[in-house]
Amino acid sequence: QKEVEQNSGPLSVPEGAIASLNCTYSDRGSQSFFWYRQYSGKSPELIMFIYSNGDKEDGRFTAQLNKASQYVSLLIRDSQPSDSATYLCAVSNSGGYQKVTFGTGTKLQVIP
Amino acid sequence: GAGVSQSPSNKVTEKGKDVELRCDPISGHTALYWYRQSLGQGLEFLIYFQGNSAPDKSGLPSDRFSAERTGGSVSTLTIQRTQQEDSAVYLCASSLRREPDTQYFGPGTRLTVL
Repeated sequence: QKEVEQNSGPLSVPEGAIASLNCTYSDRGSQSFFWYRQYSGKSPELIMFIYSNGDKEDGRFTAQLNKASQYVSLLIRDSQPSDSATYLCAVSNSGGYQKVTFGTGTKLQVIP
Repeated sequence: GAGVSQSPSNKVTEKGKDVELRCDPISGHTALYWYRQSLGQGLEFLIYFQGNSAPDKSGLPSDRFSAERTGGSVSTLTIQRTQQEDSAVYLCASSLRREPDTQYFGPGTRLTVL
């Protein structure tokens, strides 16, 4: 079992719709959870982080964390073609130095 | 301020040659990470440096790979006797190691082994 799992996609949504990206993790003691966005040919950049169960909103983005289910998601409201990218879930484990493990990413395509 | 820089941006080499990839982290960032990303794949962790602590080398795929970080700043990733399967983008990231531990990525080095 991979430590951090994501559906590779592509996930296609029409412009203006809500895109829902999901991630599961195996280490129950994981502490911190991150969503990075990576445009084709570019480096990853942080969108959001979340520590606590529940929702965290930042503009059109909402991160949701459910530690009991070991599940973290990213919702993108009013999706725009410029949101088309690969979204990487990253999880900081409970080890000595909190190593961050990345998922393989979900490719999102927003159709105009 | 300046971000993470990497050099070279592109490197084409012949199979069997050694290559060195360089990373300059953001000033003051104590943590430095190397990742490898093959075409269409996720980030593969290679090695992690934190301050003066022993590096976590658990991700290095073989003993042909090594890395060092001098003076807690610049890092060099060395690949000896390169193979075609080493072709990938090598990404470096740095962080402050404070919560949230946001990693800032460099632009990467695209390595092509012919």
